[in-house]
Amino acid sequence: DIQMTQSPSSLSASVGDRVTITCRASQSIESYLNWYQQKAGKAPKLLIYAASSLQSGVPSRFSGSGSGTDFTLTISSLQPEDFATYYCHQTYSTLWTFGQGTKVEIK
Amino acid sequence: EVQLVESGGGLVQPGGSLRLSCAASGFTVTNNPVTWVRQAPGKGLEWVSVIYTGGMTYYADSVKGKMTISRDTSKNTVFLQMNSLRVEDTAVYYCARVWGTMVRGVTVEPFDYWGQGTPVTVSS
Repeated sequence: DIQMTQSPSSLSASVGDRVTITCRASQSIESYLNWYQQKAGKAPKLLIYAASSLQSGVPSRFSGSGSGTDFTLTISSLQPEDFATYYCHQTYSTLWTFGQGTKVEIK
Repeated sequence: EVQLVESGGGLVQPGGSLRLSCAASGFTVTNNPVTWVRQAPGKGLEWVSVIYTGGMTYYADSVKGKMTISRDTSKNTVFLQMNSLRVEDTAVYYCARVWGTMVRGVTVEPFDYWGQGTPVTVSS
């Protein structure tokens, strides 16, 4: 199976901060990488697909980049509603896998 | 409007069985694959299984041989039959639509719509 490793596991940030989350795959997954946001008690929400494509309705402060094994999710200016847990997800191989998650908390 | 509604979760003893349902609306399960993802209490997301439009199925190694995904196209519903359940299968189980979209010449498969989840507790 392809292992997905996110860093950091958690971070504290303030409203207005630029936040970057990293996801590393155990082998090349080209651009088959998606990002989700999950708030407590809710289902995940798709933010970014194919590494850098913004899902319809998602604010433009969210962006994704990378290919191969290294990917990043960036929030350009953190808003109060962005405090949540973020997951990367690969669909390169038949056995899909998620990263362990990055919790973004209020500083 | 696309919607997925899970049902069938509950409390079951170790070794028991449960069948989850995922009723889809706003799309047909013959036009989009449907997948199951679970989340143990306080833990991250774990992909479980997928059923493709042609009926092909895939499973995570952790559930292969004990869980079976299927569908009833007349009811536009996908099922997850779970057998020989263990305490570690305790989780909220989500179903989601797989969106097969082409980007830069390749078909990627993000999960674009999710249900609200159904909790499964395996305990004696």
